[in-house]
Amino acid sequence: GQSLEQPSEVTAVEGAIVQINCTYQTSGFYGLSWYQQHDGGAPTFLSYNALDGLEETGRFSSFLSRSDSYGYLLLQELQMKDSASYFCAFSNQAGTALIFGKGTTLSVSS
Amino acid sequence: GAGVSQTPSNKVTEKGKYVELRCDPISGHTALYWYRQSLGQGPEFLIYFQGTGAADDSGLPNDRFFAVRPEGSVSTLKIQRTERGDSAVYLCASSLSGQMNTGELFFGEGSRLTVL
Repeated sequence: GQSLEQPSEVTAVEGAIVQINCTYQTSGFYGLSWYQQHDGGAPTFLSYNALDGLEETGRFSSFLSRSDSYGYLLLQELQMKDSASYFCAFSNQAGTALIFGKGTTLSVSS
Repeated sequence: GAGVSQTPSNKVTEKGKYVELRCDPISGHTALYWYRQSLGQGPEFLIYFQGTGAADDSGLPNDRFFAVRPEGSVSTLKIQRTERGDSAVYLCASSLSGQMNTGELFFGEGSRLTVL
């Protein structure tokens, strides 16, 4: 079957660095996406890794290891506005939709 | 509009009633998706349209759920004989082509359905 596992909650303070891990199980893997969702808001796309390695976009970076079926989202210089839920996701086997993990709630305190 | 638009933003209905939820995708996006999100969970796939046709409806939970996209743009999700367990946020998303090689979907803010 297909599954994604990520921690349910992470807490950190402003200015810190936090890593949100995601392990997955699937066949026919295309790549791993990350989304951010604030309370009551729309999920918004952050990054996508198709190949092994680190992708950097400003304060956010995403890493993928296909051999380990593992990825992570790294958030640096945390700000209060980063408090949100973060989801990893991958394509279903038919390539017709994204399958999402249950999400990690990040709480950033001052 | 610039983004995916969903109406209504909130819908309260009684058990057994029929509801329709509307999605207006980003102009030019041929792929449209419906997802359902319960509290504390990730979005759960319901149905995928490529143009006017439902290319994958494997996520629809039962035959009370139906969706259409008659002109390849606006889509309507229809739920018959609503049950309390249908209460959730229904999210619509679109993408340019439906190819999963970018992993990027553009989501609306959702329609929150409450079935009393």
